[in-house]
Amino acid sequence: GDSVTQTEGLVTLTEGLPVMLNCTYQTAYSTFLFWYVQHLNEAPKLLLKSSTDNKRTEHQGFHATLHKSSSSFHLQKSSAQLSDSALYYCAFMPNYNVLYFGSGTKLTVEP
Amino acid sequence: DAGVTQTPRHEVAEKGQTIILKCEPVSGHNDLFWYRQTKIQGLELLSYFRSKSLMEDGGAFKDRFKAEMLNSSFSTLKIQPTEPKDSAVYLCASSGDWGPNYAEQFFGPGTRLTVL
Repeated sequence: GDSVTQTEGLVTLTEGLPVMLNCTYQTAYSTFLFWYVQHLNEAPKLLLKSSTDNKRTEHQGFHATLHKSSSSFHLQKSSAQLSDSALYYCAFMPNYNVLYFGSGTKLTVEP
Repeated sequence: DAGVTQTPRHEVAEKGQTIILKCEPVSGHNDLFWYRQTKIQGLELLSYFRSKSLMEDGGAFKDRFKAEMLNSSFSTLKIQPTEPKDSAVYLCASSGDWGPNYAEQFFGPGTRLTVL
């Protein structure tokens, strides 16, 4: 069945180090992939979305590339900031407008 | 433009009570979603409406959870009767089906429910 997997539940980094959060998915449909970010006591907000194979998508210093061959959409940033500490959800949309969310990755950036 | 609004922001209920959560989607959005968010399960879809028609009702949540959308600008989620395991944040989201924000879901601030 359709599913999305985020392998890391918790990631702790030192400020300035690169960020990489993993996301893989499984579906028989052509699909949109998304990253949502949720800061403490706030609503989830869209960070990135893509439906184009092998095209890099960037926003607010983060980037991700959809690779349909490996069913992946990993989130990356070259240098973590304290303000990046948040919960990150990967999601995909196999049909209609329904999003299937991964289990989330809590990113903590320390000084 | 107003975003998604949800009321109340916090709700405390006794076990067995009926509670109703409210949501107003972004004006012009045709799709409305209800989610439950917990630390263990993450985001779980409860209901999905397209143009006021119920498209998905979240399977496992059918028995005590009922979402309704009586008009395009207002939706409710009723939990009856409440149980302590229902303690969670309930999020409402809406999305449009055209334009540059196609498929992007806009979330409300959520209602934090505590069932004693």
